[in-house]
Amino acid sequence: EPEVTQTPSHQVTQMGQEVILRCVPISNHLYFYWYRQILGQKVEFLVSFYNNEISEKSEIFDDQFSVERPDGSNFTLKIRSTKLEDSAMYFCASSGRSSGANVLTFGAGSRLTVL
Amino acid sequence: GESVGLHLPTLSVQEGDNSIINCAYSNSASDYFIWYKQESGKGPQFIIDIRSNMDKRQGQRVTVLLNKTVKHLSLQIAATQPGDSAVYFCAEQYPGNQFYFGTGTSLTVIP
Repeated sequence: EPEVTQTPSHQVTQMGQEVILRCVPISNHLYFYWYRQILGQKVEFLVSFYNNEISEKSEIFDDQFSVERPDGSNFTLKIRSTKLEDSAMYFCASSGRSSGANVLTFGAGSRLTVL
Repeated sequence: GESVGLHLPTLSVQEGDNSIINCAYSNSASDYFIWYKQESGKGPQFIIDIRSNMDKRQGQRVTVLLNKTVKHLSLQIAATQPGDSAVYFCAEQYPGNQFYFGTGTSLTVIP
């Protein structure tokens, strides 16, 4: 079954450092997303990406965040200068269009720990 | 913004019993809903979805009910098994493409 893959599974970084989280969405999907989940809390929307540009973003997705699809397969989330409160699980998701359904398929997540 | 919320943060059921997990949503314009299951250390996994033009949809051992009048969504799991223990999230899709998730309900199945 097709899956979304994310790397790294866990990254520890110092406050102020740049972090890049990588995702390989399902190959025939058109919509890509980043969500985050602080420990024990709900899954929060960060950004959606379609046709090589951001389609929507939340208040969380400030100037410290950026996304990129550098080639035909990878979708990355960059945090320019990490803060302690950026510590969370970051989930990549992708979706395609079929019969009107728009199910998000999630990756296993990348755990970011900012010290 | 508007939010999706869950009535109960935790639920414990005996193995073999039926489980009902509830969800309240706020955006009356939301037209698509998904239930996700999240096991420890994993990403959310799709369980079942329903469009706003339906009020019930059944899958294998799961049923989703949608009551648009009171903006309520429920997930019913028949004959709950230990492998069903997880956190369950409902998610609503706003007009457009953005999904919002609820807080989550932790289901524990007691053998």
